Amino acid sequence: EAGVTQFPSHSVIEKGQTVTLRCDPISGHDNLYWYRRVMGKEIKFLLHFVKESKQDESGMPNNRFLAERTGGTYSTLKVQPAELEDSGVYFCASSQDIAYEQYFGPGTRLTVT
Amino acid sequence: QQQVKQSPQSLIVQKGGISIINCAYENTAFDYFPWYQQFPGKGPALLIAIRPDVSEKKEGRFTISFNKSAKQFSLHIMDSQPGDSATYFCAATGTASKLTFGTGTRLQVTL
Repeated sequence: EAGVTQFPSHSVIEKGQTVTLRCDPISGHDNLYWYRRVMGKEIKFLLHFVKESKQDESGMPNNRFLAERTGGTYSTLKVQPAELEDSGVYFCASSQDIAYEQYFGPGTRLTVT
Repeated sequence: QQQVKQSPQSLIVQKGGISIINCAYENTAFDYFPWYQQFPGKGPALLIAIRPDVSEKKEGRFTISFNKSAKQFSLHIMDSQPGDSATYFCAATGTASKLTFGTGTRLQVTL
């Protein structure tokens, strides 16, 4: 069974540009989460999808971040326009229905210059 | 406000020694406490987890000790090996929702 995959693995963009990150969860997992780790700090929750619906988006930093999960399968996280403080590693995780165990992807390292 | 506090930030242990990482939480609604292991360039991988109705859980060389009254839990790695060198994160959640993480501990096991 394939794990959670994320694309791209690295992205370097200039301030003001737009970047879209993609996450493919484990097949059959209805729950999809986005997290972010800024250098040296804790991994912080961004938002949670149940199928295609946003269950909890309390961790989204501001309206420059837009997450979608079309058809309840893969998800995208768009940052527009990117700012320097958006740099970090963005992780996606998925879990089965009402399961506590979350499985993480390898992350996308975003650098905004 | 950090809801899960983790220490130490870094740890160096000799091969064969015991590695101990501690975490403390504040939210009494948390009911699931996992530990994740992360190697460079990889995502966090679930290592072991515990619920508050037990005081200890052991899987191989990894043991979680849980103290509900003190709101603390710790990870013990027995007979630490160089292959255990990684960053370890404690976390907590309630009702199968978002994870709240500690800041991570970078463990180095020396020969």
